[in-house]
Amino acid sequence: DTAVSQTPKYLVTQMGNDKSIKCEQNLGHDTMYWYKQDSKKFLKIMFSYNNKELIINETVPNRFSPKSPDKAHLNLHINSLELGDSAVYFCASSQVPIGLAGYNEQFFGPGTRLTVL
Amino acid sequence: KQEVTQIPAALSVPEGENLVLNCSFTDSAIYNLQWFRQDPGKGLTSLLLIQSSQREQTSGRLNASLDKSSGRSTLYIAASQPGDSATYLCAVRQAGTALIFGKGTTLSVSS
Repeated sequence: DTAVSQTPKYLVTQMGNDKSIKCEQNLGHDTMYWYKQDSKKFLKIMFSYNNKELIINETVPNRFSPKSPDKAHLNLHINSLELGDSAVYFCASSQVPIGLAGYNEQFFGPGTRLTVL
Repeated sequence: KQEVTQIPAALSVPEGENLVLNCSFTDSAIYNLQWFRQDPGKGLTSLLLIQSSQREQTSGRLNASLDKSSGRSTLYIAASQPGDSATYLCAVRQAGTALIFGKGTTLSVSS
């Protein structure tokens, strides 16, 4: 029973293309996140949604557009892909939303390795 | 701006040794601190979460401590095994933020 799942696991595409990564969680959590892990393995938050509402939007190019059709799904659409977008993208979820001090263990998906050629 | 540092960046030990991984953070106003494990090419597995009001958490051979006032956490691994080889990541959560990660410690345990 996968708690946080992502598809696809690997994505290889040409520069300039548009692609999407899907994420689903079956934990009943209200808050979902997208993180990016660069070539140096450094993980950094991109977006956070709470109950389908955008809470955090770090300084991410507007070519990246998250979409949350319901609170169990947070998809990431990327337009006009660039070489620098190559990274591993992780989806995560948590029970407690940003800004609240409660017990907020985050659960991560397996990651999507994006390679832009 | 919060910064999380993990020392050492890499560590190699023989099987059976007890070891300590260090994590420090610059802003002590955190809600909690979470330790993760990442195997090569895999996602993150949550190991332990310590709330800001707690001093330590234990799970099996793992013990994580938190000294919020000095901005430090340690992850103690007892009787290390080759299966413990992975990258260990420390992350803190503050008001209005998602997790802020350190760059990890890559552990290699040889048999």
